[in-house]
Amino acid sequence: EAAVTQSPRNKVAVTGGKVTLSCNQTNNHNNMYWYRQDTGHGLRLIHYSYGAGSTEKGDIPDGYKASRPSQENFSLILELATPSQTSVYFCASGDRGENTLYFGAGTRLSVL
Amino acid sequence: QQQVRQSPQSLTVWEGETAILNCSYEDSTFDYFPWYWQFPRESPALLIAIRPVSNKKEDGRFTIFFNKREKKLSLHITDSQPGDSATYFCAASWDSGYNKLTFGKGTVLLVSP
Repeated sequence: EAAVTQSPRNKVAVTGGKVTLSCNQTNNHNNMYWYRQDTGHGLRLIHYSYGAGSTEKGDIPDGYKASRPSQENFSLILELATPSQTSVYFCASGDRGENTLYFGAGTRLSVL
Repeated sequence: QQQVRQSPQSLTVWEGETAILNCSYEDSTFDYFPWYWQFPRESPALLIAIRPVSNKKEDGRFTIFFNKREKKLSLHITDSQPGDSATYFCAASWDSGYNKLTFGKGTVLLVSP
């Protein structure tokens, strides 16, 4: 089973500050994803990547950037954090041709 | 426009009963429909999935029924157990291997002993 590790697990940030959420996967999956989970909204796709050096916008990309410097690492960047970005963020990876997503444990972000 | 809809938002059943969770979708080109479940304070994980070549997929007590014409599917959990209590997400994508899933908002299932 894929190992997807997110850091930090919990983060408190100030409004207007920069936040970087990191994700590392050790199973050499091509595809990686960032979702946020909010009560009443389910899981919504923010950014995704099909390989090192590439990122794509998901369904709710505004206010977020993504970076995929290597096959293993995928970061989500909030340049100017806002309270509306308070949420639980999940990173996931998947192998091309398999369709299953493997999720990390999540990062709980609070923007005050 | 919400691409994947789930109902009910929450459902309570007694242990041993059959729980029925519903899902509908907008895009008729979707051709892969997984259900993920998520236990409290854990991350989502794949439970069972179906492709439209079939109208039924079984895995133990879990069965997906699929109606392509009506763009609806349902997850039936027979002999429900308290350990089945979780949030269930229906999702959809194109079976292209690129895994870009669109999730519904989820159904919270509580199985009472």
